[in-house]
Amino acid sequence: AQTVTQSQPEMSVQEAETVTLSCTYDTSESDYYLFWYKQPPSRQMILVIRQEAYKQQNATENRFSVNFQKAAKSFSLKISDSQLGDAAMYFCAYRAMIYNQGGKLIFGQGTELSVKP
Amino acid sequence: NAGVTQTPKFRVLKTGQSMTLLCAQDMNHEYMYWYRQDPGMGLRLIHYSVGEGTTAKGEVPDGYNVSRLKKQNFLLGLESAAPSQTSVYFCASSYTDSSSQPQHFGDGTRLSIL
Repeated sequence: AQTVTQSQPEMSVQEAETVTLSCTYDTSESDYYLFWYKQPPSRQMILVIRQEAYKQQNATENRFSVNFQKAAKSFSLKISDSQLGDAAMYFCAYRAMIYNQGGKLIFGQGTELSVKP
Repeated sequence: NAGVTQTPKFRVLKTGQSMTLLCAQDMNHEYMYWYRQDPGMGLRLIHYSVGEGTTAKGEVPDGYNVSRLKKQNFLLGLESAAPSQTSVYFCASSYTDSSSQPQHFGDGTRLSIL
């Protein structure tokens, strides 16, 4: 069974600095998708960034980028120029690329990010 | 632009009571999901549906039932609520089950069982 692990329950960063959130996963599949979701206090689940495992290039979305290490099964999220609005719970999630398997997301435990002014 | 709408947003129940959470999506998505979120455990899948009239068990299905009578609606039922079911419940939907297209989430329902 696939698992996703976020070993940092809490992280803190100074405004305008850079922070990296860690995520590791375990799977025997070769093709899959990885996601980072942001959950602010409003409880919304907001997609931050996604990565297809067959793509070697790391995904980037404005200030957010990932370091995808397929062999190491690692998928970290880097937030550059941190802003107060980045404070939230961040979830790493895995989705198998298999038809007729329901497309279920497997989530990590989450990392609570605080941003200091 | 409603997306995924969950009803109610907050509810308090007594042990043994029953209730139904409603999820409605207006994006014509085939796949719908119910997750529960507990501190330190992330989101865990309760049940899911791959189309109208079909449902399947997820990781933590015990104590819950679901129905998908209409494509746009996915209902989660608690027949006899227990304190262990105190949680935040999220509904999600997606167009396919095997692409990088993300699941779209509702805003959650906070459920407390006394």
